[in-house]
Amino acid sequence: EVQLVESGGDLVQPGGSLRLSCAASGLTFSSDWMDWVRQAPGKGLVWVSRIGPDGTYTSYADSVKGRFTISRDNAKSTLYLQMNSLRGEDTAVYYCSRVEYWKFDPWGQGTLVTVSS
Amino acid sequence: QSALTQPPSASGSPGQSVTISCTGTSSDVGGYNYVSWYQQHPGKAPKLMIYEVSKRPSGVPDRFSGSKSGNTASLTVSGLQAEDEADYYCSSFAGSNNLGLFGGGTKLTVL
Repeated sequence: EVQLVESGGDLVQPGGSLRLSCAASGLTFSSDWMDWVRQAPGKGLVWVSRIGPDGTYTSYADSVKGRFTISRDNAKSTLYLQMNSLRGEDTAVYYCSRVEYWKFDPWGQGTLVTVSS
Repeated sequence: QSALTQPPSASGSPGQSVTISCTGTSSDVGGYNYVSWYQQHPGKAPKLMIYEVSKRPSGVPDRFSGSKSGNTASLTVSGLQAEDEADYYCSSFAGSNNLGLFGGGTKLTVL
């Protein structure tokens, strides 16, 4: 069964840091392009970041560029998102997803990040 | 780049058909056949329903269909069922400088 499981979401103060993880199973993870997509409470889906199969290619939305870092450990079939200098507007459920020919499938169940004092 | 434009809501009675639109530009929806649609029930993760404009992943009922005309893509749900009540999002490839373009979402209500 193809499965993505996110973890690491938490309540963090503005300016703080957090690292999210996404454990993959049932995928040829080391060959897959992977993304992070977030959804603020009651709002729509917003793309955050992408990483290529070997980790050498990365791309970020302007809203997180310079603050977030995407990475992966293919030996552990795990995707990461290091989030620094967190702001209130970063509060959201963060989903990881495989992207293939510009379709997002599958998706993880999401992990909630709340930035608040 | 702005998000793709979807109507905020749509509705239909059981058994009816409903069509949700997704309007972009010639730089995204109109320029490529890489439009996809996602269903999201409350508190759940999105699920791929349509990709490459009109293709259905295995397991998605054939009541769901997709099409495109010019800069507007459409998702049609035929024979509406109660379980189709959900939020629906479109997405389109928009070039290498805009990797993840989503619509604002449409809440589908089954009356």
